Amino acid sequence: GENVEQHPSTLSVQEGDSAVIKCTYSDSASNYFPWYKQELGKGPQLIIDIRSNVGEKKDQRIAVTLNKTAKHFSLHITETQPEDSAVYFCAARPTGGSYIPTFGRGTSLIVHP
Amino acid sequence: DAGVTQSPTHLIKTRGQQVTLRCSPKSGHDTVSWYQQALGQGPQFIFQYYEEEERQRGNFPDRFSGHQFPNYSSELNVNALLLGDSALYLCASSGTGPETQYFGPGTRLLVL
Repeated sequence: GENVEQHPSTLSVQEGDSAVIKCTYSDSASNYFPWYKQELGKGPQLIIDIRSNVGEKKDQRIAVTLNKTAKHFSLHITETQPEDSAVYFCAARPTGGSYIPTFGRGTSLIVHP
Repeated sequence: DAGVTQSPTHLIKTRGQQVTLRCSPKSGHDTVSWYQQALGQGPQFIFQYYEEEERQRGNFPDRFSGHQFPNYSSELNVNALLLGDSALYLCASSGTGPETQYFGPGTRLLVL
């Protein structure tokens, strides 16, 4: 089955700095890669996603890049703000079956004012 | 448009008891998946329901069972609770096929 590794487990930055979270996956059949943000006491919320036919996608301060050859993808947050503090999860989903994503273990992002 | 809703928000049970958690999917969604999220971990897939049937199951024992109703809402049942079942239980809904999953706020279960 799919295995998703996520690093770092904790990331501490100053407000205004950039943050990068990296994930690798094992199953070359995976073709959809969502990123979720989970705030304390809440469920994961989708913030951005990318499909395997695209190398990069951007939405305001958030961007995701995908390298299919190396089987890794990354989340980039620019101009971080204290409200970006949360746990971020990457996931990889296969092309077939019932489309169940496999999640990474999460990165706790702390943005210091 | 209401998103995914779950009830209850919190629950405390003792070992050996049984629990039922409930989920209403986002409007227009017909597929419901359940996940267990232990503290400090990513969500782990339990099972998925579509057309009132279990379509796929993760690596969880038979103590975990579920149901989907004609209105697409779903229940997760856990029998013979163990201390290790303490976790956040998340419901996610999606449309038919390779659609994005949207999560509910979860039910925090504590087993004493």
